[in-house]
Amino acid sequence: GQSLEQPSEVTAVEGAIVQINCTYQTSGFYGLSWYQQHDGGAPTFLSYNALDGLEETGRFSSFLSRSDSYGYLLLQELQMKDSASYFCAVENNAGNMLTFGGGTRLMVKP
Amino acid sequence: ETGVTQSPTHLIKTRGQQVTLRCSSQSGHNTVSWYQQALGQGPQFIFQYYREEENGRGNFPPRFSGLQFPNYSSELNVNALELDDSALYLCASTPGGRGGKESYEQYFGPGTRLTVT
Repeated sequence: GQSLEQPSEVTAVEGAIVQINCTYQTSGFYGLSWYQQHDGGAPTFLSYNALDGLEETGRFSSFLSRSDSYGYLLLQELQMKDSASYFCAVENNAGNMLTFGGGTRLMVKP
Repeated sequence: ETGVTQSPTHLIKTRGQQVTLRCSSQSGHNTVSWYQQALGQGPQFIFQYYREEENGRGNFPPRFSGLQFPNYSSELNVNALELDDSALYLCASTPGGRGGKESYEQYFGPGTRLTVT
């Protein structure tokens, strides 16, 4: 089976940097994705890591360590609009099912 | 390019009834997945359709069923509704393929909020 753990809530101030961690247990692993979901909205894709290391996309970066079954999402220069829930997700070894973590609610304060 | 659309937006049903939710995938996408998202939780995988065939199923009972049509649009049917079925139902499409970024980068629709009373 697949399971993912991430913190339920994180609070940070505007302009700061925040890191959201995700640990996973899986019988087969293709890669780790991150999704953002604003209240009342649909999840939107942020990033994907299949190999160890850091992937950078603008203010957002994502890191993966396959040996530690661990990844994180790094958000820099936080803006109020970044207040949302963030989900990590892994694909099963059959390549046909995405398992999401419970989500981390990020609150950005002025 | 048209994104993923879902209908209806909101729905209220009574316990024991049946419901059909609809999804139109993004242009060029042949794979559709359905998810159930309870309030405050992550999306839970229900099943996936690839080229009109079921291509994987999560831990949901048989009263959750689906269809995919030749134009790759899809339906989710839920029979004998229970109170716990109240949730946001999300449809997501991808271009297809196994593993790699194509299957990871799922494009979600806005969802259908189902309330069972």
